[in-house]
Amino acid sequence: QVQLQESGPGLVKPSQTLSLTCTVSGGSISSGYYYWSWIRQPAGKGLEWIGRVYTSGSTNYNPSLESRVTISVDTSKNQFSLKLTSVTAADTAVYYCARGYGDFDYWGQGTLVTVSS
Amino acid sequence: DIVMTQTPLSSPVTLGQSASISCRSSQSLVHSDGNTYLSWLQQRPGQPPRLLIYKISNRFSGVPDRFSGSGAGTDFTLKISRVEAEDVGVYYCMQATQFPYTFGQGTKLEIK
Repeated sequence: QVQLQESGPGLVKPSQTLSLTCTVSGGSISSGYYYWSWIRQPAGKGLEWIGRVYTSGSTNYNPSLESRVTISVDTSKNQFSLKLTSVTAADTAVYYCARGYGDFDYWGQGTLVTVSS
Repeated sequence: DIVMTQTPLSSPVTLGQSASISCRSSQSLVHSDGNTYLSWLQQRPGQPPRLLIYKISNRFSGVPDRFSGSGAGTDFTLKISRVEAEDVGVYYCMQATQFPYTFGQGTKLEIK
């Protein structure tokens, strides 16, 4: 059973960089034709897809965030990561990592990131 | 971006009765590979989303057969038969046919 777990700081100051890591267990991040995505959800609101990475390092981003987002993969550690620069209060949300191609079949539990000074 | 519009936004249902949620996309979700990447997710209170249905009508592993999906093109429906207390939560449709992937606003299923 594949499991995903997000980790990273829960509090980030405005204008700084948000950095999160998703650790995959129960299977190799390199196996199968899977992409690895980040999705976020502000409190009480809906879901927003941030972007995805393939094990080759190939990425696709949401144009609304593309100028500030970098998603990368480290196959040796079975992890993939999110960096979001120049954060504001509008970036406060629960951040989820998920696996999928065409749908998201496995999700992490999510991690709350608050942007505040 | 493809806009996903769900109706209703709230659905009070009596236990044992059925519920139906509609999802309409602003463009056809038929991909160039012939697949339609429309999925349904359930988010119980305090939990991450969970995949229920993928490619319109395929139930994900472990999903009860009370959940069924249908539709084509731009109009899709999730039906929940014999609603149980554990079905309470928010349901989202999602398209992964075109970047950026987008979600519906969510439909809150409540028990009357």
